[in-house]
Amino acid sequence: EDQVTQSPEALRLQEGESSSLNCSYTVSGLRGLFWYRQDPGKGPEFLFTLYSAGEEKEKERLKATLTKKESFLHITAPKPEDSATYLCAVQGNTGNQFYFGTGTSLTVIP
Amino acid sequence: NAGVTQTPKFQVLKTGQSMTLQCAQDMNHNSMYWYRQDPGMGLRLIYYSASEGTTDKGEVPNGYNVSRLNKREFSLRLESAAPSQTSVYFCASTKTRGQRANYGYTFGSGTRLTVV
Repeated sequence: EDQVTQSPEALRLQEGESSSLNCSYTVSGLRGLFWYRQDPGKGPEFLFTLYSAGEEKEKERLKATLTKKESFLHITAPKPEDSATYLCAVQGNTGNQFYFGTGTSLTVIP
Repeated sequence: NAGVTQTPKFQVLKTGQSMTLQCAQDMNHNSMYWYRQDPGMGLRLIYYSASEGTTDKGEVPNGYNVSRLNKREFSLRLESAAPSQTSVYFCASTKTRGQRANYGYTFGSGTRLTVV
């Protein structure tokens, strides 16, 4: 069964302190790995899609990377406005369904 | 840019009552989805519609029904609400791209449902 595990569950960073979030997955034939940002009381907002191992995507202070077993979301010099829950999801070859992890709650302290 | 619009935003139901959650998208997307989000459980798929005229069960379909009214609209119905259905419900849509993975969902802002 397709599965996604995110770690850590929660992360507190000082402003400017870079770190990484992890998304480990098992899937029968990866069609895509997705990163989303979710602010309290809102729906998830799409950030990146990664399709194959070795691929990288960047957006402002965020950089997503992908290996055959996991993906990392690197946050460089974070700011308080980066505080949110970051969700990872995968889509495999078995169907139309996306499987979501439970997310990492990031708090950036000024 | 409306994107995905969900109504209502909040709802309180008594056990046994019924209600329909409405969802509409204006992006000409083919596929639409209903998810529920519970603390510590992540987003779980209830039902989806890969294209107009089709619907399929997801991971947690029991107690729910759906209708893909047209390409824009996808509704979720609770026939007899139970406290276990207290959750935040999200509608999402995406355009498909052949055999490759989708572009990713566009989500609505959610419906916060409490069943007492």
